[in-house]
Amino acid sequence: GAVVSQHPSWVICKSGTSVKIECRSLDFQATTMFWYRQFPKQSLMLMATSNEGSKATYEQGVEKDKFLINHASLTLSTLTVTSAHPEDSSFYICSAPGGRGSTSPLHFGNGTRLTVT
Amino acid sequence: TQLLEQSPQFLSIQEGENLTVYCNSSSVFSSLQWYRQEPGEGPVLLVTVVTGGEVKKLKRLTFQFGDARKDSSLHITAAQPGDTGLYLCAGNAGGTSYGKLTFGQGTILTVHP
Repeated sequence: GAVVSQHPSWVICKSGTSVKIECRSLDFQATTMFWYRQFPKQSLMLMATSNEGSKATYEQGVEKDKFLINHASLTLSTLTVTSAHPEDSSFYICSAPGGRGSTSPLHFGNGTRLTVT
Repeated sequence: TQLLEQSPQFLSIQEGENLTVYCNSSSVFSSLQWYRQEPGEGPVLLVTVVTGGEVKKLKRLTFQFGDARKDSSLHITAAQPGDTGLYLCAGNAGGTSYGKLTFGQGTILTVHP
């Protein structure tokens, strides 16, 4: 089945540094990928829609200059948390639709646990 | 903005008990999906319901889509400790917004042996 690989699975960084998270679709092409943030014991909060070959679409309240998204190929999207601060510590998850229909499932990566010290 | 109200938020039960999780909205969805997520992992799709009134069964799990396609339920019979996890409902508005799901708040289920 379709697999989405997310890397790294966890990262610890110092305040002020930047962290890049990769999301790859391993056996299918994804013109669109989604990035979520999840706090403990809570649901997924959509941050942005990553579009291959064009600018990402950010949800209201998400700083596009802080969360840089690049979707340079049909199998790779990256999220860079710039100038990270402790409040950016969270679980970040990406997903890619398995098809173009409304019934197509979302294939999720296994998430990245970011801790900013 | 489409919203999905999921309840209950927390559920703690004993092994063997039955439970139902609900997702309700004032909006119509072209399809609705249920996911299960374990700590430190991404959500995994359990089922997709498309047709109003549809009922799907997955072993001890029964999923129902409301006739008007505005609500859905997940019923687990004889819950097992292995059912423990975060359950998420997610609706798809359809059209060109494929893949952009509206998620419910989630239900944290704990099944005690």
